[in-house]
Amino acid sequence: DGGITQSPKYLFRKEGQNVTLSCEQNLNHDAMYWYRQDPGQGLRLIYYSQIVNDFQKGDIAEGYSVSREKKESFPLTVTSAQKNPTAFYLCASSIRRDDNQPQHFGDGTRLSIL
Amino acid sequence: RKEVEQDPGPFNVPEGATVAFNCTYSNSASQSFFWYRQDCRKEPKLLMSVYSSGNEDGRFTAQLNRASQYISLLIRDSKLSDSATYLCVVNPPGGFKTIFGAGTRLFVKA
Repeated sequence: DGGITQSPKYLFRKEGQNVTLSCEQNLNHDAMYWYRQDPGQGLRLIYYSQIVNDFQKGDIAEGYSVSREKKESFPLTVTSAQKNPTAFYLCASSIRRDDNQPQHFGDGTRLSIL
Repeated sequence: RKEVEQDPGPFNVPEGATVAFNCTYSNSASQSFFWYRQDCRKEPKLLMSVYSSGNEDGRFTAQLNRASQYISLLIRDSKLSDSATYLCVVNPPGGFKTIFGAGTRLFVKA
């Protein structure tokens, strides 16, 4: 089955710890994205990547880092600099960087602070 | 003014009712529009794209009004399973920024 796989489903972070969220897609999509969703709010863009070895900051990149070494993979690291990491994290992909293409989402990772 | 605004609701309707949501957007040059559905604690899923000519998919109809800068979603013959949050999504031109509305919550009751 083609799709986007995020892992883990739930993640707990200790103070001062970096954690990495995985996102893998087998849809052969060029573009990938990371969003954060807080209760009752819309999605906010953290980072996006249009092509392998290239990525750009979104609206709330501080305290996060990404890499795009393979087309299929776009992991997100939540660093200790992110003081309020508790949220629902969603990875998405689209065929290409194109205004008319919808994004498709993985099933998300819920991150909480211990 | 927010870039994309939706009435948060909740809309509480009985089964079989017709319900409509509107979503306004601020950038008049926006190119593409979508409705997504998000169930509680789940990821958003694409419901339908919104075309200039409007489009229909079963009980769902989406329309675009460029003059007034809003899109709408009409659900006919509501089912219990339609209960969810409906997200309006707008792609402004040029840059690479998809804007998600905060969503409208719908509860369909028996």
